[in-house]
Amino acid sequence: QVQLQESGPGLVEPSQTLSLTCSVSGGSISSGSYYWSWIRQPAGKGQEWIGRIYTSGSTNYNPSLKSRVTISLDTSTNQFSLKLSSVTAADTAVYYCARQVAAYLQFDYWGQGTLVTVSS
Amino acid sequence: QSALTQPASVSGSPGQSITISCTGTSSDIGGYNYVSWYQQHPDKAPKLMIYDVSNRPSGVSDRFSGSKSGDTASLTISGLQPEDEADYFCSSYRTGSTPVVFGGGTKLTVL
Repeated sequence: QVQLQESGPGLVEPSQTLSLTCSVSGGSISSGSYYWSWIRQPAGKGQEWIGRIYTSGSTNYNPSLKSRVTISLDTSTNQFSLKLSSVTAADTAVYYCARQVAAYLQFDYWGQGTLVTVSS
Repeated sequence: QSALTQPASVSGSPGQSITISCTGTSSDIGGYNYVSWYQQHPDKAPKLMIYDVSNRPSGVSDRFSGSKSGDTASLTISGLQPEDEADYFCSSYRTGSTPVVFGGGTKLTVL
């Protein structure tokens, strides 16, 4: 059974960089045909796709966030990470990591989510 | 607002059936069969319920079914049970620069 778990600071100051890590257990992030993805949900709103990284290391980002987002893969620790720079209060949300099946595009495993608040 | 449109809430009594709609465009739902549905209980991770419009992952009850007509996908839950009370949201592939879009979510209340 694959499990994903987000970790990182719950509070980030405006203009700083939000950094989160997703730890994957029960399977290797370097095998299979999967996109390792980040998704967020502001309070009272729907999910917003942030971006993804393929097992080969290629990335895709939401155009609305592309200039501020970096997603990377660390096969040695079986983790992948999100960095979002120059954050504002609008970036306050629950952040989820998830595995997307490349062939059929469904998100078959999700983390529990972690609330990140942007505030001074 | 979200790229895909869902009703904010639906409700039903135990044993009844309900349907949740998810409306997009020809660039997403109408053009591809990559629609998936997720169930989310409060403070829990989302759970995949339906993928590729109408396929159920192993372990998901056959009370859950999916369909699509034109630009609208639907999730039907038959024989409602109290534990079905949760938020449900849809997702689809979209052609273009944002390959993943989501619905705003629907809160299901089992009366």
